[in-house]
Amino acid sequence: KAGVTQTPRYLIKTRGQQVTLSCSPISGHRSVSWYQQTPGQGLQFLFEYFSETQRNKGNFPGRFSGRQFSNSRSEMNVSTLELGDSALYLCASSLERASSGNTIYFGEGSWLTVV
Amino acid sequence: QKEVEQDPGPLSVPEGAIVSLNCTYSNSAFQYFMWYRQYSRKGPELLMYTYSSGNKEDGRFTAQVDKSSKYISLFIRDSQPSDSATYLCAMSGTSGTYKYIFGTGTRLKVLA
Repeated sequence: KAGVTQTPRYLIKTRGQQVTLSCSPISGHRSVSWYQQTPGQGLQFLFEYFSETQRNKGNFPGRFSGRQFSNSRSEMNVSTLELGDSALYLCASSLERASSGNTIYFGEGSWLTVV
Repeated sequence: QKEVEQDPGPLSVPEGAIVSLNCTYSNSAFQYFMWYRQYSRKGPELLMYTYSSGNKEDGRFTAQVDKSSKYISLFIRDSQPSDSATYLCAMSGTSGTYKYIFGTGTRLKVLA
């Protein structure tokens, strides 16, 4: 069974640009969550999508957005990139909503460097 | 105060040692407790999953939850150099709390 697949794995962008990251969850999983990981802040929750609807959102500015498609695949977008957006962006999938006993499984992440 | 506190380490131990990794938390609504292992430049992988209080063993790994003290632990017996990684604790509540809260991770180095 294929795991969570994230693309691209590595990318470099310039300040002010925008970026779109893609995530394909484990087959049959309906929930996709996104996290930002930095050395100083650790893993921080961005948002969760379930049945194509954003169900929960972390404390990030509106420049961070996402969506989920009918096949459960998800994308996240960061507009007007800032240097501080450099991080590892992790996607996690779970069968149902990411709580109440539903474990989440992570992809390998997308390494974003903003210069 | 953060909801979940975890000593960042680094923690260096000799091969074969017993390793104890810990997290404390403040939210008594947490019911599900997980440990993830993350190798450098990789995504976290699920190691252990525990519901409520008690112990759970899987091979060389034992997860322990003490809800009365709001304290969870992961023990690694007979540690190996391949165990060198960052270990993240995570916890989640019941309905109404649809997200995991993670500790910042403890970096472990097992010396051959």
